[in-house]
Amino acid sequence: GESVGLHLPTLSVQEGDNSIINCAYSNSASDYFIWYKQESGKGPQFIIDIRSNMDKRQGQRVTVLLNKTVKHLSLQIAATQPGDSAVYFCAETPNAGGTSYGKLTFGQGTILTVHP
Amino acid sequence: ETGVTQTPRHLVMGMTNKKSLKCEQHLGHNAMYWYKQSAKKPLELMFVYNFKEQTENNSVPSRFSPECPNSSHLFLHLHTLQPEDSALYLCASSSGQGSYEQYFGPGTRLTVT
Repeated sequence: GESVGLHLPTLSVQEGDNSIINCAYSNSASDYFIWYKQESGKGPQFIIDIRSNMDKRQGQRVTVLLNKTVKHLSLQIAATQPGDSAVYFCAETPNAGGTSYGKLTFGQGTILTVHP
Repeated sequence: ETGVTQTPRHLVMGMTNKKSLKCEQHLGHNAMYWYKQSAKKPLELMFVYNFKEQTENNSVPSRFSPECPNSSHLFLHLHTLQPEDSALYLCASSSGQGSYEQYFGPGTRLTVT
């Protein structure tokens, strides 16, 4: 079936380094993509999103890149800080413009650990 | 705070018990969701309510029964659960008006003994 998955289950970086978290998706009809961060004991928190008509979007210290040709999504975090340590999930939905709500399919998650 | 609250935060119940999970959103959203998060598995969508109407049931066993009395409140009624139902149950909401960003609550950690 259709799925969204992550290449690397864990990523360890030094404070100040840039981090790149990758995600592969299989549904060619995916139209909307979103990255979430989940800290221990909390629910997922929105980081950044991107629609399929874009290939790059920047936020504060974060950039999402979308390559529809190879169905690949990445999240780049600049100057990673210890507070960025969390599990990061990508999610997608093909429903943008269809229904008024999104039926998100989530990836398995990548654990990011930032060492001081 | 995301504007979505869940109670209780932790719940331990026996397989013969009946309990309910509660979710409340203070964001004026129209769509609400229940997800199950198990170790080493992606978040699994269980139910979706849009404008109080159930629009998605993702093949969830009948021992899980959702209720949405209004757009701000969502319940998940539990009865005769199995140990494999132990997980983190997350509630989320979205505006339901073309925005797909979902806001999550902190979850209820459920343990079935």
